[in-house]
Amino acid sequence: DGGITQSPKYLFRKEGQNVTLSCEQNLNHDAMYWYRQDPGQGLRLIYYSQIVNDFQKGDIAEGYSVSREKKESFPLTVTSAQKNPTAFYLCASSTRTSGNPDTQYFGPGTRLTVL
Amino acid sequence: EDQVTQSPEALRLQEGESSSLNCSYTVSGLRGLFWYRQDPGKGPEFLFTLYSAGEEKEKERLKATLTKKESFLHITAPKPEDSATYLCAAPNAGGTSYGKLTFGQGTILTVHP
Repeated sequence: DGGITQSPKYLFRKEGQNVTLSCEQNLNHDAMYWYRQDPGQGLRLIYYSQIVNDFQKGDIAEGYSVSREKKESFPLTVTSAQKNPTAFYLCASSTRTSGNPDTQYFGPGTRLTVL
Repeated sequence: EDQVTQSPEALRLQEGESSSLNCSYTVSGLRGLFWYRQDPGKGPEFLFTLYSAGEEKEKERLKATLTKKESFLHITAPKPEDSATYLCAAPNAGGTSYGKLTFGQGTILTVHP
């Protein structure tokens, strides 16, 4: 089955720790995205990558880091510098064409809780 | 600044009671409008993309429409399984922002049997 997988589903972190969230897709999509979702708020973009070995900051990149070494993988590291990391994290991917904007497809999400 | 606003924040319907959800936007040079459905604790599921004013798309009990300033998601004779949060999103302007979406805060729909 083609799709986007995220792991783990639930993650608990102690203050001061870095944690890495995994995102893998087998849709052969060029672009990948990380969003954060808080209760009562829309999705906010953390980082996005349009091509391997390249990525751009989104609206709330502070305290996060990413890498894009493979087309199918886009891991997100939540560092200890992120002041309020407890949230639901969503990964998405899309094709990248020069025409109309492409639909983003989402993974199942990772819920991160800081203890 | 690009903004997407959804209303109402929450909507309670009786089974079979049709209604509409609104998505208004201030994105300049709108290049499309996306609708998603999200169930609690899950990732958003894609529903529709609309690219130009006047366009309409349907899927089962849902119909999405688009004008120059807003989009509506019409729900006809809803069932309890239609209960979810509905999100709309608009692409940012092109250039280095290509591919970025601005999301509304969502409308929580509850359909009672």
